[in-house]
Amino acid sequence: EAAVTQSPRNKVAVTGGKVTLSCNQTNNHNNMYWYRQDTGHGLRLIHYSYGAGSTEKGDIPDGYKASRPSQENFSLILELATPSQTSVYFCASGDAWTSSAETLYFGSGTRLTVL
Amino acid sequence: SQWGEENLQALSIQEGEDVTMNCSYKTYTTVVQWYRQKSGKGPAQLILIRSNEREKRSGRLRATLDTSSQSSSLSITGTLATDTAVYFCALASSGSWQLIFGSGTQLTVMP
Repeated sequence: EAAVTQSPRNKVAVTGGKVTLSCNQTNNHNNMYWYRQDTGHGLRLIHYSYGAGSTEKGDIPDGYKASRPSQENFSLILELATPSQTSVYFCASGDAWTSSAETLYFGSGTRLTVL
Repeated sequence: SQWGEENLQALSIQEGEDVTMNCSYKTYTTVVQWYRQKSGKGPAQLILIRSNEREKRSGRLRATLDTSSQSSSLSITGTLATDTAVYFCALASSGSWQLIFGSGTQLTVMP
């Protein structure tokens, strides 16, 4: 069974503070993704990675950094959190090398509130 | 935007009824995926359908894909209360494999 684990499940941060969201996968998948989910916007891609050491910008990367230190771990970093980053964040892994046929396996999400 | 007309935002039906959700898109793709997200969980893939399949079934689920009209549908027959969830269609543009998700349809099945 594919397994993607996110931590923490819930986080409250202050404006201007640094927030790190963590994701671990035991699927041995090459690709990992960070999405945020807001009402009315579905899931929007923030950053993704093709493997350890690589990070790429998605559709809405501003205000976020990503880190992929190993095959298993992918972090999302908010250096200076703002209330507009209040959202639910999902991490996913996928293993397809061919375009458009990749199945994503999602974690259960992290609910972030920035006050 | 990669999406055409908005997915229907919310549907509420009685258990046992059949339901169809639609998705229209603007970008070229040969594969559409449907995901389901239950409350408090991440999305999970239900069906992946390719352009050469036109229709694909999995249990009570049936997906269609019409690349000429750039539309896809997901039907559920004999719905159960446990089918209550948000349903997303997702696709990748030609030359990319990053999935882009539609805004989703909230399906509520009342027992």
